[in-house]
Amino acid sequence: ETGVTQSPTHLIKTRGQQVTLRCSSQSGHNTVSWYQQALGQGPQFIFQYYREEENGRGNFPPRFSGLQFPNYSSELNVNALELDDSALYLCASSATGLITSYNEQFFGPGTRLTVL
Amino acid sequence: DQQVKQNSPSLSVQEGRISILNCDYTNSMFDYFLWYKKYPAEGPTFLISISSIKDKNEDGRFTVFLNKSAKHLSLHIVPSQPGDSAVYFCAARGNDYKLSFGAGTTVTVRA
Repeated sequence: ETGVTQSPTHLIKTRGQQVTLRCSSQSGHNTVSWYQQALGQGPQFIFQYYREEENGRGNFPPRFSGLQFPNYSSELNVNALELDDSALYLCASSATGLITSYNEQFFGPGTRLTVL
Repeated sequence: DQQVKQNSPSLSVQEGRISILNCDYTNSMFDYFLWYKKYPAEGPTFLISISSIKDKNEDGRFTVFLNKSAKHLSLHIVPSQPGDSAVYFCAARGNDYKLSFGAGTTVTVRA
């Protein structure tokens, strides 16, 4: 059983560019959540995808968008990058779409995005 | 608006002693609380949780206490071990099922 994987590990972009981050969920999981963790802060919920549909969103602008594929892997897309988008982006997968059992939510190692 | 606060950014404790991590929250609608542990270059891993209808939950060396009237919870680790050195995040779930995290406390266990 493979865990949650994310790619790339590190990424450097310039302001105004677009970026796509990828997440492969743990085997058997149909729900993926994305979080942004800025330096010195805790993870902030961006959105969640359940069976290819967005299933809840945090306080992030529309330039943060996502996709979930039939195999339940997911992408996070950020357009018009800003300096404040520099952060660790974490994805987490779980087997339920109702977020009722967070002890069953498994995080990937994250993608470190730097915007110059 | 930071609804979950961990006011101690770091904690240093001697091996074998008790580690106490604190967390305060402002949203009275939170109904479920969790602690996560994070090592460098790894994602957070679930440690222990507690429902708002309880005031204590214990799992081995880890115990979480909840004081709803004070909107405060704490994590006790007894005895502390070198492998416990990590960043610990407190998180809370609201009625919209989103998780709100604190900023984390870095625990260092000294030999």
